[in-house]
Formats: sequence, structure tokens, C-alpha cells
Amino acid sequence: DQQVKQNSPSLSVQEGRISILNCDYTNSMFDYFLWYKKYPAEGPTFLISISSIKDKNEDGRFTVFLNKSAKHLSLHIVPSQPGDSAVYFCAASTRRGSQGNLIFGKGTKLSVKP
Amino acid sequence: NAGVTQTPKFRVLKTGQSMTLLCAQDMNHEYMYWYRQDPGMGLRLIHYSVGEGTTAKGEVPDGYNVSRLKKQNFLLGLESAAPSQTSVYFCASRPAGRAPYEQYFGPGTRLTVT
Repeated sequence: DQQVKQNSPSLSVQEGRISILNCDYTNSMFDYFLWYKKYPAEGPTFLISISSIKDKNEDGRFTVFLNKSAKHLSLHIVPSQPGDSAVYFCAASTRRGSQGNLIFGKGTKLSVKP
Repeated sequence: NAGVTQTPKFRVLKTGQSMTLLCAQDMNHEYMYWYRQDPGMGLRLIHYSVGEGTTAKGEVPDGYNVSRLKKQNFLLGLESAAPSQTSVYFCASRPAGRAPYEQYFGPGTRLTVT
């Protein structure tokens, strides 16, 4: 049973426009959510996170929104750039029981076209 | 700082052969992880360690063994490789007790079992 779901395997966006990547989760015990970015032949790199006590966190062009009642979060990239083309993984963690282990979604491949 | 390094980068094994993947980190992190990434499956946790001399099973531990004899190293062993273990393996580490439990990943090892 997938606890973290990224239902869109791919997304294509024009340069300069907004990219919106979505993530849903089922475990209400999750208290932190993270986004990772992965280029081909490289390891994932941390992008941005949000605590469950917040509904928004912003870092430059990247903003993550959390809707706890819907168990949904989204990553907004504005404006999108060709260098943002990568696979984006949503991940979640809880301090209770799992020692902060991350549960990852399957990823969404973002293509930003010039 | 080299961060997290993985050895080797690529390997081809025949069914039944054994091998050890080495992960090393120079950030003095307490926690270390081994993941596998398969197409369309995201990152799945194989084993993890919360400190030197300790290991624990993750989501997909069967067919793998691990050891953490030194704090900076985490070894992943395949005793009798199977084609189902063809995958990209990522090692990660993080410091203890710091939410949101951001993990730092190595560049990956691409393993093919024929």
C-alpha cells in the first residue's frame, strides 16, 4: 500500500511558465514532507521541505504548499527553467516509530521546454 | 568534503555471484541508508543503520545483507545475485535528531545481473 503517491509520471511545461507537481499521502502521522530533485546518473538532491504545522514554505522560485485536510502537497516552480528538467520525488517522514525514515513517491519527470 | 561516495559506479554480475557495494560519508552522520531505484518504482529502502554496529531492515531487505563496522562506512552485500536485483543502488546519510530528516545521497551504483 503506497503511503506517498505521485500520480503523474510526467509533466511538460514551457519555459517561463509555472510547474506544479502534486503529491498525495495516506498516513496522517507524517509530520515532515520533502521534495528531492534527481538528474540522470546522479543521486537525488534535497530541494525544499515543509513541516506539518505550516501550510506554505517558499525558497526562491520553489514553493511547497501543504493541505493537511486533503492529505495533499504540491511543489510550484515559478518561473520554470530548462535546468529544472529532472525527476522530482516527494517524500514524507514521521518522528514516531520509524526513526525519521523517508517514504518516497514514485517520482514525476518534469520537462521544461525552451 | 566529498559528501557521500559509492564504489563501484557500475558492475555486471552473473547470477549466483556475490559482491559488496561500499558507501562512505565524511560528514560524521549517524544514520546511513541503502535504497534501490527501479523504473517506475521510486526509491525503496533496503536496510538502514542508526549508528556504528547497528543495522535494521527496510522495505525490501530480502537477498541483501549490510554491515556498519565503522561510522563512516556502510556496506551492502549480495550473497547470491539474481536478475531481480538489477537496479540502481543509492546510499544516503543524515545526522541524528534534526528534522526534517533530510538525507544526503551518493551518486549511485548501477548493477546489472545477467
